[in-house]
Amino acid sequence: DVKVTQSSRYLVKRTGEKVFLECVQDMDHENMFWYRQDPGLGLRLIYFSYDVKMKEKGDIPEGYSVSREKKERFSLILESASTNQTSMYLCASTGQGFGNTIYFGEGSWLTVV
Amino acid sequence: AQSVTQPDIHITVSEGASLELRCNYSYGATPYLFWYVQSPGQGLQLLLKYFSGDTLVQGIKGFEAEFKRSQSSFNLRKPSVHWSDAAEYFCAVGPMTTGFQKLVFGTGTRLLVSP
Repeated sequence: DVKVTQSSRYLVKRTGEKVFLECVQDMDHENMFWYRQDPGLGLRLIYFSYDVKMKEKGDIPEGYSVSREKKERFSLILESASTNQTSMYLCASTGQGFGNTIYFGEGSWLTVV
Repeated sequence: AQSVTQPDIHITVSEGASLELRCNYSYGATPYLFWYVQSPGQGLQLLLKYFSGDTLVQGIKGFEAEFKRSQSSFNLRKPSVHWSDAAEYFCAVGPMTTGFQKLVFGTGTRLLVSP
């Protein structure tokens, strides 16, 4: 069974803290993504990575950075968390080429107080 | 730039009734089209996808979707809704020009199923 695992399901952090959200996939996928989901806004792409150490900005990268040191792991970093970053964060992965299914993790609920 | 519109924020359907969720996309060519479902507190699960060929696509859980190029639509249908179908549904479009699927999602439609 394919798996995208987000290690933290629920987090509460204070404003200004550095936050790490971790995502691991076991499907040897080249491509990994971080989305943010907010009510009424759907899913918005923050960053994606198409190879180890390679990354590209998505639609809303401000306030975020990412790290991909190993193929199976893609981390989202909030350098200094703010209350407007309170949201659900979804990690996803897919293989190279057209027609491949994108697999999602179960999400990480982050509350910044 | 591609975009996806799901005009219905909420839909309530009686159990056993038919369902149609609307999706319109904006894209310069024929895109890849997807429907995902999200149960409460969960990630997204792929229901079905369209790339080419037959414009009526069958998916999991009894869902189907029809691609209509002239209307730029990809509506999701189910003939008889079950209470377990209550969830949020997302339509997404992916370009055919990249080497992998970088999707743009609609804002979602929340389906409520009444007894």
